[in-house]
This record gives sequence, C-alpha cells and structure tokens, in this order.
Amino acid sequence: QVQLQQWGAGLLKPSETLSLTCAVYGGSFNGYYWSWIRQSPGKGLEWIGEIDHSGSTNYNPSLKSRVTISIDTSKKQFSLKLTSVTAADTAVYYCARGGRGFYGSGSSSIYYYYMDVWGKGTTVTVSS
Amino acid sequence: SSELTQDPAVSVALGQTVRITCQGDSLRSYYGSWYQQKPGQAPKLLIYGKNDRPSGIPDRFSGSLSGNTASLTITGTQAEDEADYYCNSRDSSGYHLIFGGGTALTVL
Repeated sequence: QVQLQQWGAGLLKPSETLSLTCAVYGGSFNGYYWSWIRQSPGKGLEWIGEIDHSGSTNYNPSLKSRVTISIDTSKKQFSLKLTSVTAADTAVYYCARGGRGFYGSGSSSIYYYYMDVWGKGTTVTVSS
Repeated sequence: SSELTQDPAVSVALGQTVRITCQGDSLRSYYGSWYQQKPGQAPKLLIYGKNDRPSGIPDRFSGSLSGNTASLTITGTQAEDEADYYCNSRDSSGYHLIFGGGTALTVL
C-alpha cells in the first residue's frame, strides 16, 4: 500500500522560503503526477502544482512566480519550495499522488484525473 | 475556464439520498473526481472518472456527469457522511488542476 510521508518547517517569518518534502513508500514513482495542495484555515483546497517522474512540472498560475517543485527519483521524494511567503501562505500543505485515465480512443478520448493517495498534511504558519 | 462551482452547504435527513453538484466548463472536456474531507483529516478520493470508486469506498457513493455539471450522489446517507465534499478536474487548458469551493454536508 502506497503511503506518503511529508515533512518541513512549520513556522516561517514573512519573506522566508517554505520548504517541504514528501517521500513515497510502497509504490512506483513512474506513471503518476506528484502534487502539492494547500488549505488555508477554514477555506477550501487549492492546487499548488505537480511534477511527474521525468521532472515535467505544472504550476497554479496564481503561484507560479514563487513555486518550484522538484523530484529525486533515486530517493522517491518530491519537494516544494515557495518563496517570499506572507501570512496569506499560512495553510495546511498536503502532498498527493495523482493519476490519469481515459475513455475512448484517438481524438475522441476523454480524460480523467484523480488524486488517490494523500499525505497527512503539514501545518505551515507564517508570522513575524 | 478555470472555475468549478459548488453549493457551499447542503443538508440531508439520515437515510435519505442527497446530490452534490459541481459546475464548470472544463467538465465538458474532462471527467471530475470527488473527495471527502472530515475535520482534521486529509481529503479522501471517493469517485473518479465516469463512476469509479477506489477500493473501500461504499457503493452508496456514486458519480455522474451531464454537460458541464458533475454530480456526487449519496444514497442512504449515514451519519458518518457528514463532511466537506470537493470536486476536482483539469482546467480547460489541461495543464492545471482546479478544485470546487467545497460543499459542507450536514446529516440531520
């Protein structure tokens, strides 16, 4: 059974860099998207970005200028860096495994995406 | 489009059927997925694709898609189903994931 274990600093000052790492246990690294998602207090889920096993990334346009997601396939780990944090970045940060499938074939294919394995979350507080 | 719209709150009587909806233009191109989140816990995948459930998810949870609206239906709602529910899909570009704002389900 695949498990994700995440860790990183939980208290930051404004302007510092948030750094979190997620390790994958019990499953393959290939063929999946490895995502970071956050949830501000009392708010909904916000996708931060993703990386695949080849290192190809996609980022939330609203965070793209401050986000870097990297991968270390030898350690089966992926990491998040978010620069210049402010109080608005205070949130629970989750790592997750994402997959993709499709129905149909060729140009008529319809894709679906999902995140089926989640880390427990890391609470990050930004405060001076 | 980069938005998925959900009703903020829905209530249902114990044992009854409830439908939670998620509306967005990107659902015309991609199937969505549904997640359940209870307080203090990570989200849990409930439904993905046309109507697939991960192992261990009860069959009282089902999904459907019509036009630009995805629906999560809970048949015979149990007290433990009280939670927040989120839909999720790719946006129309296909490069970004988006979440609905979430629906808080109250079981009466």
